[in-house]
Amino acid sequence: KNEVEQSPQNLTAQEGEFITINCSYSVGISALHWLQQHPGGGIVSLFMLSSGKKKHGRLIATINIQEKHSSLHITASHPRDSAVYICAVVWGNFGNEKLTFGTGTRLTIIP
Amino acid sequence: GAVVSQHPSWVICKSGTSVKIECRSLDFQATTMFWYRQFPKQSLMLMATSNEGSKATYEQGVEKDKFLINHASLTLSTLTVTSAHPEDSSFYICSARSLAGGSYNEQFFGPGTRLTVL
Repeated sequence: KNEVEQSPQNLTAQEGEFITINCSYSVGISALHWLQQHPGGGIVSLFMLSSGKKKHGRLIATINIQEKHSSLHITASHPRDSAVYICAVVWGNFGNEKLTFGTGTRLTIIP
Repeated sequence: GAVVSQHPSWVICKSGTSVKIECRSLDFQATTMFWYRQFPKQSLMLMATSNEGSKATYEQGVEKDKFLINHASLTLSTLTVTSAHPEDSSFYICSARSLAGGSYNEQFFGPGTRLTVL
């Protein structure tokens, strides 16, 4: 079983602030997803990474395999970034991988 | 990225009826599809894994006779909630991936279906 912890659980920030959301896991993984879930429920995949760093627009995701830790950063945050951010780790044998989800970080950006 | 659709996006039904939810991969062939369930303010929980042309593998605690999964083609999987009860009300999400090469292939998530059983 892979224990996935996210922090913080809730985060409220002013528009323009730099946001960091953290994800830690207990068992070695082959990849990690960062997902965004809006109030309506739909899920959008932001990143999938297995090492290093990825950037897409104002979003940056990093992962440290040795420390079993990943971070999602949002630069110049905007109210439309308000959503629940979920990390999901991929682990297990090839072809039989499991996905374990964190409980999510609820982000609210105030104008 | 690849697109996965779900239909319907929301459904309200009476207790005792059955509801079918479709999950389609629109621009790729999905050898494996996953069905998740999410209760309010909780994370996604895997219900079952289905491989095209074979029986689904259900997670512990998920009743396979209640949640019927069919994955008859490489682009379509269906989840049927049989004899639905109010406690089945939830948000159901599918994901799909193709299996190729020697590395993990990304799962692509559908938008979800909100089921409300009265």
